[in-house]
Amino acid sequence: KNEVEQSPQNLTAQEGEFITINCSYSVGISALHWLQQHPGGGIVSLFMLSSGKKKHGRLIATINIQEKHSSLHITASHPRDSAVYICAPRNFGNEKLTFGTGTRLTIIP
Amino acid sequence: EAGVTQSPTHLIKTRGQQATLRCSPISGHTSVYWYQQALGLGLQFLLWYDEGEERNRGNFPPRFSGRQFPNYSSELNVNALELEDSALYLCASSSYGTALYEQYFGPGTRLTVT
Repeated sequence: KNEVEQSPQNLTAQEGEFITINCSYSVGISALHWLQQHPGGGIVSLFMLSSGKKKHGRLIATINIQEKHSSLHITASHPRDSAVYICAPRNFGNEKLTFGTGTRLTIIP
Repeated sequence: EAGVTQSPTHLIKTRGQQATLRCSPISGHTSVYWYQQALGLGLQFLLWYDEGEERNRGNFPPRFSGRQFPNYSSELNVNALELEDSALYLCASSSYGTALYEQYFGPGTRLTVT
């Protein structure tokens, strides 16, 4: 069993739809990153959170430490949101990031 | 403020050669992390340096090594290159020592081994 499970693996939606990407992990963590990777490989850190909820513009990330689960939401999705979204919990103690396999999001105009 | 920079952008080597990849962290950051993203394997943690010392290492053979310089920049060396070392190598930096230290990623070096 992978330490980090993301769902769905692929998601295609129409522009304007509300998007949810889920992440479940099995290890104790100090924090969790949500990363965005565009074609070409560059990675941007969207959020790092250890509890509750964070919001940046149209992006919202939530985490439930007890349930070992995090979600990334995108409101009013746009074609430029098309990317791979990766969940990366940070292991408590050694601070090592473990990565999910990613969710490939495609937003159709 | 300048972000994390990596060089070179692309690197082509042949089997058995050595590759050296470089990373400059964000000014003020003391920690540098290296990750490998091989095709079909996702991101994997390689190495973590802080204050010039190796703090943690992923499940990679000893031919993957590196160092961190006094100015906190870092080098990743891969010896005796194998075809499966072809990957995108990402560097990230963070300000270790604060309560929650976010990692900021560089653009990556794409290594191709032929």
